Amino acid sequence: GENVEQHPSTLSVQEGDSAVIKCTYSDSASNYFPWYKQELGKRPQLIIDIRSNVGEKKDQRIAVTLNKTAKHFSLHITETQPEDSAVYFCAASNGSWGKLQFGAGTQVVVTP
Amino acid sequence: NAGVTQTPKFQVLKTGQSMTLQCAQDMNHNSMYWYRQDPGMGLRLIYYSASEGTTDKGEVPNGYNVSRLNKREFSLRLESAAPSQTSVYFCASTKSDSYGYTFGSGTRLTVV
Repeated sequence: GENVEQHPSTLSVQEGDSAVIKCTYSDSASNYFPWYKQELGKRPQLIIDIRSNVGEKKDQRIAVTLNKTAKHFSLHITETQPEDSAVYFCAASNGSWGKLQFGAGTQVVVTP
Repeated sequence: NAGVTQTPKFQVLKTGQSMTLQCAQDMNHNSMYWYRQDPGMGLRLIYYSASEGTTDKGEVPNGYNVSRLNKREFSLRLESAAPSQTSVYFCASTKSDSYGYTFGSGTRLTVV
């Protein structure tokens, strides 16, 4: 089955700097890669996603890149703000009944 | 729209007790999922229902059963709770493959 590895497990950045989280996946048939943000005590919420026919996608301060050959994808957050502090999860799906395989998560702390 | 509604939000069980976690969605989604979230392990799939009338095992199904009562409702049952089932449980739904999940607010379960 699919295996998703996520790095780093924790990330501390100064407000205004950029943050990058990287994930690798094992199943070459995976074709959908969402990212979720989870604030403390809350549910995960979808922040951006990318499909395998696209190499990069942006939404304001966040962007995701996908390298299908290397089987890795990354989340980029620019101009970080304190409200970006949360746990971020990457996930991958090979289209099998919509099942997502999640990474272990990255705790992002943005210090003022 | 309420989205995905989970009950209860908190529960404490004694070892060997049983309980059912309820989940309902009002978005006319076809697929529903139960995940558990443990520190450092991301979200792991317990069971899923690709469509009304079907259910199947995920990554960690032992000790659980599910029922897809109708298109809206998908319940998770613990027949004989064990301390290893202490976790936060999330229900999620999606309309189709390669679309992001909408998560419920979660159930924090403690088994003593």
